[in-house]
Amino acid sequence: QPVLTQSSSASASLGSSVKLTCTLSSGHSNYIIAWHQQQAGKAPRFLMKLEGSGPYNKGSGVPDRFSGSSSGADRYLTISNLQSEDEADYYCETWDSNTWVFGGGTKLTVL
Amino acid sequence: EVQLVESGGGLVQPGGSLRLSCAASGFTFSSYAMHWVRQAPGKGLEYVSAITSNGGSTYYAKSVKGRFTISRDNSKNTLYLQMGSLRAEDMAVYYCARELTYSAKGGWTDSWGQGTLVTVSS
Repeated sequence: QPVLTQSSSASASLGSSVKLTCTLSSGHSNYIIAWHQQQAGKAPRFLMKLEGSGPYNKGSGVPDRFSGSSSGADRYLTISNLQSEDEADYYCETWDSNTWVFGGGTKLTVL
Repeated sequence: EVQLVESGGGLVQPGGSLRLSCAASGFTFSSYAMHWVRQAPGKGLEYVSAITSNGGSTYYAKSVKGRFTISRDNSKNTLYLQMGSLRAEDMAVYYCARELTYSAKGGWTDSWGQGTLVTVSS
């Protein structure tokens, strides 16, 4: 089964950009992942699906400031022009043979 | 607009049972596989169980297999999770989620409910 690894925390200044990373385990570098955002005290929200070859498909209403990219086993979520409401936990998700896994999540602080 | 509304959470003693429900609206429920995902206090997201669109196949995390049962009633647009032999470590917010199926092996979660809290304590 794939394993997803995320940094536990990240921080960036208001108005700047940040790139969060989700790394797939060995042998799973071509897997599709999804990114989800969870603001404090709220349910998760789907942001985008991201393929190994790079194309991403965003969920309804997700701002243009959010984009995705890939390099090898790494899947990235880039947030540009950071806003205060972007402060949240970000999780990546993947699956194999009808078993789903989440990364441990990255807590993003907007300074 | 996709809406998923969970209910049925509450306080239950260790060893007890509870049934969660998730009422779906805004989409053709019978066309989508569905998941339950939980989040223990202060922790990350954990997959619990999944069911195919017609209910013909069900899947479980190792941590709940044999104790939890997922089911659905497509005539009522409702997803269920029957939980039994509850343990302290099952205490969490339980989310209902819709799967956008990619292949026979599964797909990603694209919509979430607001969650229902299950507390396991004597």
